[in-house]
Amino acid sequence: GEDVEQSLFLSVREGDSSVINCTYTDSSSTYLYWYKQEPGAGLQLLTYIFSNMDMKQDQRLTVLLNKKDKHLSLRIADTQTGDSAIYFCAEDTGRRALTFGSGTRLQVQP
Amino acid sequence: DTGVSQDPRHKITKRGQNVTFRCDPISEHNRLYWYRQTLGQGPEFLTYFQNEAQLEKSRLLSDRFSAERPKGSFSTLEIQRTEQGDSAMYLCASSNRAGGVYGYTFGSGTRLTVV
Repeated sequence: GEDVEQSLFLSVREGDSSVINCTYTDSSSTYLYWYKQEPGAGLQLLTYIFSNMDMKQDQRLTVLLNKKDKHLSLRIADTQTGDSAIYFCAEDTGRRALTFGSGTRLQVQP
Repeated sequence: DTGVSQDPRHKITKRGQNVTFRCDPISEHNRLYWYRQTLGQGPEFLTYFQNEAQLEKSRLLSDRFSAERPKGSFSTLEIQRTEQGDSAMYLCASSNRAGGVYGYTFGSGTRLTVV
């Protein structure tokens, strides 16, 4: 089955690194995505990782994938107040669209 | 092309009324998806189209909900006899093929409030 879980809340100080974690259950996932949602807005694609990769770096963002444990993480380096938002991980098994986690609210304190 | 457009942005309706939302996807995308997002939750899949064909519907899509994509371009989502439990953000997304490295592009959503 498909089930994606995330912790609900993370608070960090500006300039620190943030790490948002996600677990999924469907081992047939092909792509895993991270989306950002600001208040009242739609979802913005931040980054993705293909299932045969362990790590992907994109500027301040680093995605780590542990397929054995079905664990995905997003690290944001030098977190800024503009990074405050809800972050969703989502898995794409290729069968039907995306399955999302319930989101992690990131609060960045100045 | 400015991305995925949804209209209206907000809709307040009385219980029992019918509402219709529109989504205009990115023009070269052949797949279009509808999701529903309630407060504090991630988006939940409702249905998707490949061109004009509706290929899958979630069990969340009760018989009061209907979606169309008549010419394989824009899509409409209609809710008949709205209930308070229908209050949510309705998100539309589009993709070329099955997402892949380009992911799925989301619109800003239509927020429905049923009073």
